[in-house]
Amino acid sequence: ETGVTQSPTHLIKTRGQQVTLRCSSQSGHNTVSWYQQALGQGPQFIFQYYREEENGRGNFPPRFSGLQFPNYSSELNVNALELDDSALYLCASSLVGGGPSANEQFFGPGTRLTVL
Amino acid sequence: AQTVTQSQPEMSVQEAETVTLSCTYDTSENNYYLFWYKQPPSRQMILVIRQEAYKQQNATENRFSVNFQKAAKSFSLKISDSQLGDTAMYFCAFMKGGTSYGKLTFGQGTILTVHP
Repeated sequence: ETGVTQSPTHLIKTRGQQVTLRCSSQSGHNTVSWYQQALGQGPQFIFQYYREEENGRGNFPPRFSGLQFPNYSSELNVNALELDDSALYLCASSLVGGGPSANEQFFGPGTRLTVL
Repeated sequence: AQTVTQSQPEMSVQEAETVTLSCTYDTSENNYYLFWYKQPPSRQMILVIRQEAYKQQNATENRFSVNFQKAAKSFSLKISDSQLGDTAMYFCAFMKGGTSYGKLTFGQGTILTVHP
């Protein structure tokens, strides 16, 4: 069973640039959720994708957007980067409709984004 | 909206002893799940234990157990026989039931250090 993977591991960008982060979900999972974790804080829910559609969004502006592909992998795009976007971005996958363990999220190792 | 509060920013314990981490939450929902996640310094988030709100019995996973007090909206984690590998940031998290799979609301975290 392949776990959740994310790329790249680290990324440095400057203000105003755009960034794309990638996530491959765990084998057999159909849902991907993205979280932003600022240093020393708990993760904050950005949005979730299920069957290639956005299925809920947290309190993040439209410049945070995403995609889910037919193989259930996902991308997080952030436009017009701001200094406050510096954080660890976590991807988590799960299986909706998967019985008792459907609510279990499996997290990837994260992408550390630094905005200068 | 749901909120999760962890009032202990840092805790420490001696190896082989027992430690309890506190968590309170606020919700008007009746169908929900609660989780404890562990994030070691290597940063990959791992599920420690989960509790379904409709279950009265407290969840147990080996050395980890919870004290779920639904009326008080309290969900503490007890770690017995602490080991050096338990050193990590611990997050309490809430998820609504129904179609909200994967939309976790996290607390601020508690840094646990296990001393030899």
